[in-house]
Amino acid sequence: AQKVTQAQTEISVVEKEDVTLDCVYETRDTTYYLFWYKQPPSGELVFLIRRNSFDEQNEISGRYSWNFQKSTSSFNFTITASQVVDSAVYFCALSEAFLNTPLVFGKGTRLSVIA
Amino acid sequence: IAGITQAPTSQILAAGRRMTLRCTQDMRHNAMYWYRQDLGLGLRLIHYSNTAGTTGKGEVPDGYSVSRANTDDFPLTLASAVPSQTSVYFCASSLRGDTEAFFGQGTRLTVV
Repeated sequence: AQKVTQAQTEISVVEKEDVTLDCVYETRDTTYYLFWYKQPPSGELVFLIRRNSFDEQNEISGRYSWNFQKSTSSFNFTITASQVVDSAVYFCALSEAFLNTPLVFGKGTRLSVIA
Repeated sequence: IAGITQAPTSQILAAGRRMTLRCTQDMRHNAMYWYRQDLGLGLRLIHYSNTAGTTGKGEVPDGYSVSRANTDDFPLTLASAVPSQTSVYFCASSLRGDTEAFFGQGTRLTVV
């Protein structure tokens, strides 16, 4: 069965530090999709990225970057030069294309960025 | 309406009472989902629907039921609420199971 593990429950960094949030997944499907969502203190869930299993290129969007490595079943998320507004809970999620399964989420990592 | 809307925003419910959480989307998405969020447990799938007229069970379906009579609506019913169902409930929709899911603002439910 599909599974997503976010081993880091909470991380605290000082503003301007870089921080990496880890995500490890398990799936039997050969075609799958990985996602990251952000949940700020206001509570809504904000989509950040979707990546398919055939695209292992790293992605960069401003201060955000994602490192997808199939060899280690990981999809890690790095925030460069963190800011207080980055404080949130971040969720990694997985869906399997062939089995058409809904998103399965990790338990989330709470990031606190201290000024 | 733009996106996905949940109602009510919050509710305090007596144990044993029946309650329906409403969810409506206007994006003509095929798939809809209900998740519950509990501290330390992340988001857990309760029920889902890949298309109107079909539903499926998620990780934690016991005590909940859903229906999908049309594309836009996906209500979640607690037949007889229990305190362990105290949680924040999120409804979501997506074009397909493997595409980006859009979430409602959540319903905070307290069962006493």
